[in-house]
Amino acid sequence: DAGITQSPRHKVTETGTPVTLRCHQTENHRYMYWYRQDPGHGLRLIHYSYGVKDTDKGEVSDGYSVSRSKTEDFLLTLESATSSQTSVYFCAISGSSASYEQYFGPGTRLTVT
Amino acid sequence: SQQGEEDPQALSIQEGENATMNCSYKTSINNLQWYRQNSGRGLVHLILIRSNEREKHSGRLRVTLDTSKKSSSLLITASRAADTASYFCATVKGNNNDMRFGAGTRLTVKP
Repeated sequence: DAGITQSPRHKVTETGTPVTLRCHQTENHRYMYWYRQDPGHGLRLIHYSYGVKDTDKGEVSDGYSVSRSKTEDFLLTLESATSSQTSVYFCAISGSSASYEQYFGPGTRLTVT
Repeated sequence: SQQGEEDPQALSIQEGENATMNCSYKTSINNLQWYRQNSGRGLVHLILIRSNEREKHSGRLRVTLDTSKKSSSLLITASRAADTASYFCATVKGNNNDMRFGAGTRLTVKP
């Protein structure tokens, strides 16, 4: 998976609790992305980062925040988890803008009860 | 909303046959990419085709792009059981980082 790890790989949490997912890369790539994958929707972009401390919103950013304090780590936080945020979350990296290919991590399966 | 839409949603073929998957999109694009996803795994990049290109090959993969029809196709020749996976097209507009994925085609290759 191109030097990308995600943690945890599985998590079950209760509605209203905060949750943080971590993406770690060893490729020194500039761009990092968070997506969610739901049946019938493909992947949808939540947030992305184009450098340390530089982030921007994607298509479905409501209810999510991100932080990138180091090149290698990109954190996704669900401020107050809801059942609609039950999904599989994928991190991806790219050496350039999305004009070039992205490399994906193994995913985190999150269940909000 | 999704930019790309794959067709068919599911495809089942015998080993050795060719598999063709189609992707349609709505607006102008910078490039279109195809990804593969095995069950329970992350996506793997297969091929990227730019808006000024019409066809690209990579091993047993052939991708075409018709910008006038806003459509692309992915052909896998001489399919193998190991090609069983979901295949997604993704479109990129301009030079931004907003890559939009379709819902995917689930390919099953029977041995």
